[in-house]
Amino acid sequence: AQSVTQLGSHVSVSEGALVLLRCNYSSSVPPYLFWYVQYPNQGLQLLLKYTTGATLVKGINGFEAEFKKSETSFHLTKPSAHMSDAAEYFCAVIISGTYKYIFGTGTRLKVLA
Amino acid sequence: DGGITQSPKYLFRKEGQNVTLSCEQNLNHDAMYWYRQDPGQGLRLIYYSQIVNDFQKGDIAEGYSVSREKKESFPLTVTSAQTNPTAFYLCASSYRGVGETQYFGPGTRLLVL
Repeated sequence: AQSVTQLGSHVSVSEGALVLLRCNYSSSVPPYLFWYVQYPNQGLQLLLKYTTGATLVKGINGFEAEFKKSETSFHLTKPSAHMSDAAEYFCAVIISGTYKYIFGTGTRLKVLA
Repeated sequence: DGGITQSPKYLFRKEGQNVTLSCEQNLNHDAMYWYRQDPGQGLRLIYYSQIVNDFQKGDIAEGYSVSREKKESFPLTVTSAQTNPTAFYLCASSYRGVGETQYFGPGTRLLVL
């Protein structure tokens, strides 16, 4: 069965520091992978997605993620954290052969001044 | 502007009462989805619909019902059989197709009086 694991339910970084949010997936076939961001009491907004092709995917707000098949990972990074990045981040994978997503349990990012 | 609207933003349910959450989209998407979000559990799929007049149960459909009479609308009813309805409910939509991105509405928070 496919699954998504996000390591660390809470991550704190200083403003200006590197942001690294971890996501590992299990899938028997090449996956479709997504990162979403959620601000308090709002819906989810797409940050970036991987389907096929280039393994380094650039998204909005300076975020990027790298698909590593050998490690079954799709970690999200941003070189320099900004206070406005404080939010909850969700990794998701599409169940092969369906339109259904599986979401990770989320990582809440806190940015310290 | 195209998008997904959910109403109301907050909804209060009394014991034994059925309540209906509205979801409307003007993105011309065929597929629509309902998720439930609880703290620390990510998003769980309640129901989804790929075309008008057709829908399927997700992972936690018990105590919920839906209809899909129009392409633009996918209302969710939380019935009295749902004994723990307090949660944040998110509606999403997408084009039909492998790897399509789901776009989310702003959510409805349901509270029990």
